[in-house]
Amino acid sequence: DIQLTQSPTSLSASAGDRVTITCRASQSIGNYLNWYQQKPGKAPKLLIFRASSLESGVSSRFSGSGSGTDFSLTISGLRPEDFATYYCQQSYNIALTFGGGTKVEIK
Amino acid sequence: VQLLDSGGGLVQPGGSLRLSCAASGFTFNFYAMTWVRQAPGKGLEWVASISASGGSTFYADSVKGRFTISRDNNKDTLFLRMSGLRAGDTAIYYCAKDDLAARPSHFDSWGQGTLVTVSS
Repeated sequence: DIQLTQSPTSLSASAGDRVTITCRASQSIGNYLNWYQQKPGKAPKLLIFRASSLESGVSSRFSGSGSGTDFSLTISGLRPEDFATYYCQQSYNIALTFGGGTKVEIK
Repeated sequence: VQLLDSGGGLVQPGGSLRLSCAASGFTFNFYAMTWVRQAPGKGLEWVASISASGGSTFYADSVKGRFTISRDNNKDTLFLRMSGLRAGDTAIYYCAKDDLAARPSHFDSWGQGTLVTVSS
């Protein structure tokens, strides 16, 4: 299976900050990388698909980049509602896998 | 789009359970569907997927041979039949709608989740 390693596992930031989360794949996955946001007690929400495509209805403060093995999710101008856990997920291999998650907390 | 998960509960090790996911608000038979689980305090784990027609199914190694995914396109409902349940299967199970028809890719809508607890 393809392993996805997210870093950092957690971070503290202030409202208005620019935050970047990275996701590294154990082998090249092209641009088959998706990002989700999950708040406590809620289902995940799709933010970015195919590495850089913004899901309909998602704020343009979220952006994704990367290809091959290295990917990143950037949140520009962090807002209170952005404090959550973020997961990457690969769809290159039919055995789908998720990263371990990055918790974004309020500083 | 609305996905309504149900069927979770407490079950003894070795027991069986069937989860359901009632879909509405989209053309159900156009899209692949997937089950994803999340153990308490842990991350997300893909469990199983099924193509739009139901003709192709895909399973994580951890559940292969124990779980069966199926769908009823006449009733817009997704199922997960779980047997040989183990403590490690304890999790919230989410159904999710895919953006493609033939195979799992990315999930643009999710159910609210249903909790399965495996314990004696």
